[in-house]
Amino acid sequence: ETGVTQSPTHLIKTRGQQVTLRCSSQSGHNTVSWYQQALGQGPQFIFQYYREEENGRGNFPPRFSGLQFPNYSSELNVNALELDDSALYLCASSLPGLGLGNEQFFGPGTRLTVL
Amino acid sequence: AQTVTQSQPEMSVQEAETVTLSCTYDTSESNYYLFWYKQPPSRQMILVIRQEAYKQQNATENRFSVNFQKAAKSFSLKISDSQLGDTAMYFCAFFNTGNQFYFGTGTSLTVIP
Repeated sequence: ETGVTQSPTHLIKTRGQQVTLRCSSQSGHNTVSWYQQALGQGPQFIFQYYREEENGRGNFPPRFSGLQFPNYSSELNVNALELDDSALYLCASSLPGLGLGNEQFFGPGTRLTVL
Repeated sequence: AQTVTQSQPEMSVQEAETVTLSCTYDTSESNYYLFWYKQPPSRQMILVIRQEAYKQQNATENRFSVNFQKAAKSFSLKISDSQLGDTAMYFCAFFNTGNQFYFGTGTSLTVIP
């Protein structure tokens, strides 16, 4: 069974640029969530995708957007990068079950640095 | 708005001893889920234990157990027989019916040999 994978591992961008981060969910998982974890902080929920549609969103501006593909992999896109976007971006996959509270399996994250 | 508070930024415990990590949360909902996640220095987050709010019985997973006090909105994690591999950041998390997760700021636990 393959776990959650994320690419790239590290990324450096400049302010104003756009970035795409990728996530492959664990085999059989059709729900993917994205989180932003600033240094020394807990993860902040960005959004969740289920069956290719956004299924929940945290308090992030519209320049944070996502996609989920038929194979359940997912992308996180961030436009007009700001210095505060520098963080570890975590992807987590899960089975929806009844739609609530199933265990999430996390990937190793993508470290984004915005200069 | 939901919030999760972990008031202990750092804790340490002697190997084989017991330690309790605190977590409080704020919500107006009656049905939700609570979690403790562990993030070792290698970064990958893993689930430690899960509690459903409608269940009064405290969850246990081997050496890990919780003290869930719904009225007090408290959800502490007890680690018994602490092992060196328990050294990690521990995050308390809350999941609501709106499909949103809220994490606390974490407690850095060090197990001392």
